[in-house]
Amino acid sequence: GDSVTQMEGPVTLSEEAFLTINCTYTATGYPSLFWYVQYPGEGLQLLLKATKADDKGSNKGFEATYRKETTSFHLEKGSVQVSDSAVYFCALSYGGATNKLIFGTGTLLAVQP
Amino acid sequence: GAGVSQTPSNKVTEKGKYVELRCDPISGHTALYWYRQSLGQGPEFLIYFQGTGAADDSGLPNDRFFAVRPEGSVSTLKIQRTERGDSAVYLCASSLVGTDEAFFGQGTRLTVV
Repeated sequence: GDSVTQMEGPVTLSEEAFLTINCTYTATGYPSLFWYVQYPGEGLQLLLKATKADDKGSNKGFEATYRKETTSFHLEKGSVQVSDSAVYFCALSYGGATNKLIFGTGTLLAVQP
Repeated sequence: GAGVSQTPSNKVTEKGKYVELRCDPISGHTALYWYRQSLGQGPEFLIYFQGTGAADDSGLPNDRFFAVRPEGSVSTLKIQRTERGDSAVYLCASSLVGTDEAFFGQGTRLTVV
């Protein structure tokens, strides 16, 4: 079945460091890929998405490229801030009638000043 | 409303009891989802409503779980004969039909003792 695998956390970085959170997926078809973020005390919110191979999603300085050849959607940011501290979830969806999301286990990012 | 609202935010119940969890979606969102997030895991799909009808209930773990959305807005997730393994955060999300961005509530943390 379809699944998403994320690197385990926590990831601890100093402010202004480069961030990579790895995400790979297994899919029987051609899903859309997403990164959701959960800040402390808040609900999950969409960070970025890509709907087809080679698409790059970007938002708030974060980027991820849909790589079909490596079945990956790694999240990157060039310079993290303390305010980026959160749990990040990679997910896939086929859209269509249901559009349900299949999530990875989440990666906790802690950015220290 | 401003966002998806879930009540209660926390619920502690005894094993064997019945519980109801409520979700108020964003006004105008006809698509509504329930997910369950166990400790250390990503959210797992339970059920999807399109309007008043459950279009996909393939994620409900067993017949103790049931959800309704009688008027196409507020939804209630009902769990009968609760078990300790039901302890988790139950998330609700809503979206506009045909879009792939889901808006999540902050969840209800259910603890079965």
